[in-house]
Amino acid sequence: AQSVTQLDSQVPVFEEAPVELRCNYSSSVSVYLFWYVQYPNQGLQLLLKYLSGSTLVKGINGFEAEFNKSQTSFHLRKPSVHISDTAEYFCAVCQTGSARQLTFGSGTQLTVLP
Amino acid sequence: EPEVTQTPSHQVTQMGQEVILRCVPISNHLYFYWYRQILGQKVEFLVSFYNNEISEKSEIFDDQFSVERPDGSNFTLKIRSTKLEDSAMYFCASNTGSYEQYFGPGTRLTVT
Repeated sequence: AQSVTQLDSQVPVFEEAPVELRCNYSSSVSVYLFWYVQYPNQGLQLLLKYLSGSTLVKGINGFEAEFNKSQTSFHLRKPSVHISDTAEYFCAVCQTGSARQLTFGSGTQLTVLP
Repeated sequence: EPEVTQTPSHQVTQMGQEVILRCVPISNHLYFYWYRQILGQKVEFLVSFYNNEISEKSEIFDDQFSVERPDGSNFTLKIRSTKLEDSAMYFCASNTGSYEQYFGPGTRLTVT
């Protein structure tokens, strides 16, 4: 079984400032890692994923995340946020191999202030 | 760009009633999923479906729940006798078998 912890439930940040949303996971087996974004009244949209290879992955809308196996973390970053980045962000994992169910964290509400 | 669609967007039902939530996955996808998100809580996996049968299910997915792909395009979640605690946002997702899942906009189920 695996679990995901998102340490910050709410992150307010001013426009054009950098932001980091933290995600830690726990698993007894290898996992793949994902960040999803949910805009108000919309579904979940994939921001980026780590399956293998370079531990720094780039996603849509200028976001990137770094997989750190020793710290079991997959923090999401953006160097300069926009008002339109205001949304809920979810970190998720799934087991490598045949299992494909996603296990989600509790989410981080990012609010970008003018 | 193809997308997963879900109907209705909001369903209100009385406790004890049956509800069917509908999803149209992306047309060339082979794996289908249902997740739910109770207000203020995590998104939770319910069930996955492949080759016309359930491939995985969580402990939430008890005998009250069932899934079906009735006509090769729709994917449905049925709750036989709804309870107050079934009130949640229900998300459908699909993929080709890769690990990237494409989510629909969700159906908000309110049980009164």
